[in-house]
Amino acid sequence: GESVGLHLPTLSVQEGDNSIINCAYSNSASDYFIWYKQESGKGPQFIIDIRSNMDKRQGQRVTVLLNKTVKHLSLQIAATQPGDSAVYFCAVGVFGNEKLTFGTGTRLTIIP
Amino acid sequence: DAGITQSPRYKITETGRQVTLMCHQTWSHSYMFWYRQDLGHGLRLIYYSAAADITDKGEVPDGYVVSRSKTENFPLTLESATRSQTSVYFCASSDRGRGIAGANVLTFGAGSRLTVL
Repeated sequence: GESVGLHLPTLSVQEGDNSIINCAYSNSASDYFIWYKQESGKGPQFIIDIRSNMDKRQGQRVTVLLNKTVKHLSLQIAATQPGDSAVYFCAVGVFGNEKLTFGTGTRLTIIP
Repeated sequence: DAGITQSPRYKITETGRQVTLMCHQTWSHSYMFWYRQDLGHGLRLIYYSAAADITDKGEVPDGYVVSRSKTENFPLTLESATRSQTSVYFCASSDRGRGIAGANVLTFGAGSRLTVL
């Protein structure tokens, strides 16, 4: 099966700085990766996804990087804002398969 | 998200009682899911459903029962609640086409916090 881990359970970043949240997975057959954001008292919200045929994908202020060689992905958030404070989860799966394996989450705190 | 609602949001019950958590979605998504969230474990899949009358086990199905008689509803029942089932439960539905290359993207409800005494 798949196991997904995050390198840091908590991360504090100064407002305006960039933040990087990391995630490692174990199954080389995994080819679909998603990042979710969970604010306090709410369900996780989709941020961005990437498939294994890509190394990088950009969204609005967010970039996901995928390194298949070492089974590692990261979420970069540019110019962090107070609203970015949340728990961030990576999820890993096989494209077309509805079942995902979630990591344990990194709590990002933006310091004003 | 307004399209997927869970009830109750908070529930306290006693060991051995039956509890049903409700989930309703308004999008007519085919797939629906139940996850539990515990500190140190992230989100773990309990059960999922590909369509009405089709359900399948996830990672941690023991002690739970689901049904899906209608596309829009996916209730989760704890037949005899135990303290280890104290958790936050999230229902989700799958939105085909919203992700890259038409990938399914889960949309989650706000969660149901269950405490079993």
